Amino acid sequence: DQQVKQNSPSLSVQEGRISILNCDYTNSMFDYFLWYKKYPAEGPTFLISISSIKDKNEDGRFTVFLNKSAKHLSLHIVPSQPGDSAVYFCAARGSNDYKLSFGAGTTVTVRA
Amino acid sequence: GAGVSQSPSNKVTEKGKDVELRCDPISGHTALYWYRQSLGQGLEFLIYFQGNSAPDKSGLPSDRFSAERTGGSVSTLTIQRTQQEDSAVYLCASSLLGGISYNEQFFGPGTRLTVL
Repeated sequence: DQQVKQNSPSLSVQEGRISILNCDYTNSMFDYFLWYKKYPAEGPTFLISISSIKDKNEDGRFTVFLNKSAKHLSLHIVPSQPGDSAVYFCAARGSNDYKLSFGAGTTVTVRA
Repeated sequence: GAGVSQSPSNKVTEKGKDVELRCDPISGHTALYWYRQSLGQGLEFLIYFQGNSAPDKSGLPSDRFSAERTGGSVSTLTIQRTQQEDSAVYLCASSLLGGISYNEQFFGPGTRLTVL
C-alpha cells in the first residue's frame, strides 16, 4: 500500500522552462516532506524539504509547495537546466517516525 | 569526506542461494537505514539501526531477510534462499543522529541484486 504516490513516471521539459513535479500522499499523519534527486548509479541526494506548518519553501531554483487539505505537494524547478535531468523522489514522514515513505519517482529529462 | 559506500555494486545470484550486502556508513553517523527499490516502486523501508538500541526490523519482508550492524558502524544485510522477487536495488543510508528529530539521510549508491 503506497502512501506516497508520484503518478507521472516521466517528464520532459525544454531548457529554461519550468519543471513541475507532483506528489500525493494518503497518510494524514505525515507532516514533513522531502524531495530527493537521483542520478544513475548514485544514491538519492536530499534536495529540499517542507514542514506541514508551511505551504511553501524556496531554495534557489527549487520551490516546494504543500497543500495539506489536498494531501498534495509539488516541486517547481525554474529555470530547468540540463543538469537537472535525473529521477526525483518525493518522501514523507510523520513527526513521531524516522522512517521515510517514498514515491516511485519521476524521471525528468531537460532538453537543450 | 567519504560518503556511504556499498558493496558489491551488482550481484547476480541463482534462486535459492544466500547473499550478503554490505554498507559502510559515514564515519560518526549513529543511525543506519536499509531500503530497497523494486522495479517501478518507491524506496521501501527495511530496517533501522540507532546506536545500541534494538533495531527496528518492521520493514523486513520475510524471515529470510536479516541484518546486523557490528560495532555501530558497518552493516550487513543477508538474504537467505533468495527468490526472484528479491531482485531490486538495495540502498543503505546513514544519518548523524536518529530518532524522531529529522536528520538528513545520506544514501549510498546501492547494490543491484538480480536473482535468476
